[in-house]
Parts: sequence; C-alpha cells; structure tokens
Amino acid sequence: KAGVTQTPRYLIKTRGQQVTLSCSPISGHRSVSWYQQTPGQGLQFLFEYFSETQRNKGNFPGRFSGRQFSNSRSEMNVSTLELGDSALYLCASRPSGTTNEKLFFGSGTQLSVL
Amino acid sequence: AQSVTQLGSHVSVSEGALVLLRCNYSSSVPPYLFWYVQYPNQGLQLLLKYTSAATLVKGINGFEAEFKKSETSFHLTKPSAHMSDAAEYFCAVANQAGTALIFGKGTTLSVSS
Repeated sequence: KAGVTQTPRYLIKTRGQQVTLSCSPISGHRSVSWYQQTPGQGLQFLFEYFSETQRNKGNFPGRFSGRQFSNSRSEMNVSTLELGDSALYLCASRPSGTTNEKLFFGSGTQLSVL
Repeated sequence: AQSVTQLGSHVSVSEGALVLLRCNYSSSVPPYLFWYVQYPNQGLQLLLKYTSAATLVKGINGFEAEFKKSETSFHLTKPSAHMSDAAEYFCAVANQAGTALIFGKGTTLSVSS
C-alpha cells in the first residue's frame, strides 16, 4: 500500500504570493490532517478534513485554508505569503473510525518564502 | 489544556550507551501519549503510544517508554544506542477532543562511535 504522498517536495515563493500544497492519503483513509513544522514553533496543527468537510481547525490566520476532494485528496492553500510561513508542511491521514494513534505522516513539503 | 515539554533540545550519547529522552505532560484528562521519530528530510514515524493500557510501552527499534502518572512523565529509553538512532524525536499528547496532536519542541539525538 502506498503511503501518504505530498507534492511538491520543495517550493520557493516570494512574499505576497500564494501557494497550494497537495496531499494524497493512504488508500481508504478519509481523514487528512495538516501540520506546520518550524524551528521556532515546532509542530502545530493546522486543520483536519474528513469526507470533504473541515472538522477541526488550529490557531492559524485565515490566510491558511484547505479543502478535500471526493477521492480524499487534500490541498492546502496559503495566501499572501509572509516570511514566517517558511516551514515544513506535513500531511497525515488515518483510517475512518480511528483516532490519532493511527496517524500516518507524509514526508512533507518544504516551503521557503523569500 | 494539554501540553508536553521535552527536556533538552539536544542529547548526545555514545554508541552502545543508554538513550534517555525526557517528556513531561500536562493534561486535564487521562492522556494519550506518543513518541515520534523524524529522520532528515522525512516525515514522522510513530515509535510507540500510550493509550491507558500497560504503563510500560514497547515500540519499534528497541525503544520503550514508561507512563508515570505521579511524575506526569513519559520518558523514552533504549538500552543501547545505535548509530541509526540519530534523528529528531518528538513527544506528543492528543488534545482533549482527540482530534489533533500537540507536540513538544523535539529532541535531537546524536550518536557517536
């Protein structure tokens, strides 16, 4: 079974631009979560989607948004990029009916904002 | 509110030595606790988890952790370090609703020969 796939692996953007990151969960997983990892703040929860609906949201500004498609693939969008948005963005999926002890993480997308 | 604190951002050991990575938690409900490992340029891999069953939890790669409620601790240990254990380790607790993980700042483990 293929793992969680995140694309692209690396991204370089400039301040003010917007960016879209993609995550394909493990086949059969309907829940997708996003986390931001920075050296200063560590790992922080962004949001979770299940069956195309956002179920939970972390404490991030509205510039961070996401969506999930009917095939469970998810995208995360950051608008009006700031230097502080430079981070590793990790996606995780889990099977339906399970909680966080069944999370599987992708390798992440490294975003650099110049 | 749930939180975890990892004591020591960097731990160095010699190959064959005991590995001890410290994690203390704060939780208003019985916690679900996790240890994850992250190798360079990779995502997170679950090492082990505590979900209110046995207090001594065994994980992959020879790691184990003991849940101590009286000390609010969940330290990670391995009797004998291997070069391949060099990585960053994260302790995490599930939030109260069980909908997300709250991570510590991480501990980088270095192993020297």
